[in-house]
Amino acid sequence: AQSVTQLGSHVSVSEGALVLLRCNYSSSVPPYLFWYVQYPNQGLQLLLKYTTGATLVKGINGFEAEFKKSETSFHLTKPSAHMSDAAEYFCAVLSNYGQNFVFGPGTRLSVLP
Amino acid sequence: GAGVSQSPRYKVAKRGQDVALRCDPISGHVSLFWYQQALGQGPEFLTYFQNEAQLDKSGLPSDRFFAERPEGSVSTLKIQRTQQEDSAVYLCASSHRDYRGTSTDTQYFGPGTRLTVL
Repeated sequence: AQSVTQLGSHVSVSEGALVLLRCNYSSSVPPYLFWYVQYPNQGLQLLLKYTTGATLVKGINGFEAEFKKSETSFHLTKPSAHMSDAAEYFCAVLSNYGQNFVFGPGTRLSVLP
Repeated sequence: GAGVSQSPRYKVAKRGQDVALRCDPISGHVSLFWYQQALGQGPEFLTYFQNEAQLDKSGLPSDRFFAERPEGSVSTLKIQRTQQEDSAVYLCASSHRDYRGTSTDTQYFGPGTRLTVL
């Protein structure tokens, strides 16, 4: 069965600083990996996804993530944080049967002025 | 509508009451999912529909939970005899394609229903 871990339940960065949110997964099959963002009282919004092909994936709002099979990681980065990036971020892997997601516990990102 | 909608957005129930949560997926979406998100945690899968067929209900935590999608569009998640541990946000998601094989079509999430059981 798949699982996802996210190191750091809460990350704080200064506006303009690098954002790094960590995600590690376990999967017995080649994984399909996703990052979702959740703003307060809103549903989850897809940031980016990795399926096959290029391991560096670019998403919306300037975010990108790199799939590293050897490290079983899919860390999310953004070169320069903006106040509007403050939200909860979830890493997810698609289940073995390609149906539902298995989500990590989430990381809350705070951006300090 | 443009996105997935859920109603009610907030529900307070007394322990032992039955509740029904509604999900309106994006028009034409074949697949529909329900997730449960406890406070401070990531969403956990409950059940999956392909059109009107419930293909996977392995995530439903007990037989008090029941979901249906009789006409392949709107879905209802029903919780009978609610307990305090049922307090959570219930998220609905839909996607355009079915999930034979390893489809990776994007799932679109609704805003959720926050259920509080007193």
